[in-house]
Amino acid sequence: DTVLTQSPALAVSPGERVSISCRASEGVNSYMHWYQQKPGQQPKLLIYKASNLASGVPARFSGSGSGTDFTLTIDPVEADDTATYFCQQSWNDPYTFGAGTKLELK
Amino acid sequence: QVQLEESGPGLMQPSETLSLTCTVSGFSLTSNGVGWVRQPLGKGLVWMGTIWAGGSTNYNSAVQSRLSISRDTSKSQVFLKMNSLQPEDTGTYYCARQRPLLGWGFDYWGQGVMVTVSS
Repeated sequence: DTVLTQSPALAVSPGERVSISCRASEGVNSYMHWYQQKPGQQPKLLIYKASNLASGVPARFSGSGSGTDFTLTIDPVEADDTATYFCQQSWNDPYTFGAGTKLELK
Repeated sequence: QVQLEESGPGLMQPSETLSLTCTVSGFSLTSNGVGWVRQPLGKGLVWMGTIWAGGSTNYNSAVQSRLSISRDTSKSQVFLKMNSLQPEDTGTYYCARQRPLLGWGFDYWGQGVMVTVSS
């Protein structure tokens, strides 16, 4: 299975820029997606196919990367962005998710 | 608007068969895929399987021998059946839409249904 590795946690101050990384154990082309999940809620799609903003998602969110290394950037970070962020690949079978990066605001 | 809603029993006994229903609205099952994703409490997400627009299915090999996904397009419902339940199957089960234009990412999710497997 394709393993997606994310750093477990990050802490930033409102107004700063934050980059969340996701590294795949094998190439996934551009078929990497990013989700935001707040406690008690379902995940929400932010970015699809590495760099495309999902409908209704603020332009503060952006994605980049291809192959094995991907990044979700939030700039500027707002208080409401406190959440866990998951990457997910849909290039290799089975589809897999990263373990999530918990973003906390200082 | 696009909506998905999961339903099913909350408490199951080990070795029983789980049956969940995902009722969708705002889109057609014959034009979109629907996948099932499980999340153990406080943990990450695991894709279990998908039924595609044409009716074919793909399953995660980790649960393939125990899992079946089907649908009733006339009722806009997708079904998950998983047998031989174990305590490690405990978690929140989500159904979510998948579309080719989005590279098969999950763009709309249901609220999820919590399933506990315990004797």
